[in-house]
Amino acid sequence: AQSVTQLGSHVSVSEGALVLLRCNYSSSVPPYLFWYVQYPNQGLQLLLKYTSAATLVKGINGFEAEFKKSETSFHLTKPSAHMSDAAEYFCAVNTGFQKLVFGTGTRLLVSP
Amino acid sequence: KAGVTQTPRYLIKTRGQQVTLSCSPISGHRSVSWYQQTPGQGLQFLFEYFSETQRNKGNFPGRFSGRQFSNSRSEMNVSTLELGDSALYLCASSSNTGTGTEQYFGPGTRLTVT
Repeated sequence: AQSVTQLGSHVSVSEGALVLLRCNYSSSVPPYLFWYVQYPNQGLQLLLKYTSAATLVKGINGFEAEFKKSETSFHLTKPSAHMSDAAEYFCAVNTGFQKLVFGTGTRLLVSP
Repeated sequence: KAGVTQTPRYLIKTRGQQVTLSCSPISGHRSVSWYQQTPGQGLQFLFEYFSETQRNKGNFPGRFSGRQFSNSRSEMNVSTLELGDSALYLCASSSNTGTGTEQYFGPGTRLTVT
């Protein structure tokens, strides 16, 4: 069964520092992978998706993710954190039709 | 384009009651999926509807049901509510049937069962 694992339930960075949120996938077929962000008391907002067209995917708000098949990873990065990036981030894999299987989430804390 | 809307945003029910939640997808989207989000279990897939047909179902008891109307609006129903049904229920819509198609989420309905 396809699944994703997010390492680290909490990640703390200083404003201006590099953001790295980790996601590893398990799939026997080329996966369709997504990153979503959730702000307090809101739904999920799509940051970016991987669908095999390119291994480096650029998303909104300066985020990007690189698909590495050899490492079964799809880590999310942003060169310089902003206070407004503080939120919870979810990695997800589409397992068929529109069923998304989510990771457990990583809460990003940004300090001034 | 208006986003996915969900009503109501907040709901308080008593154990044993039933509840109906509503979701209006983005205009033109024909696929609607439902997810349950709890602190303990995280985000879990409930079911997905496309053109009024349930195409996929998660591992939830039969108390959880849904339907989709001809205008793509969807409702989900939970009967005989239990305390553990307290959660944020999220609806997502998608434009087509492709597995790689992105889903757009609504703000959710916060259900509290007392």
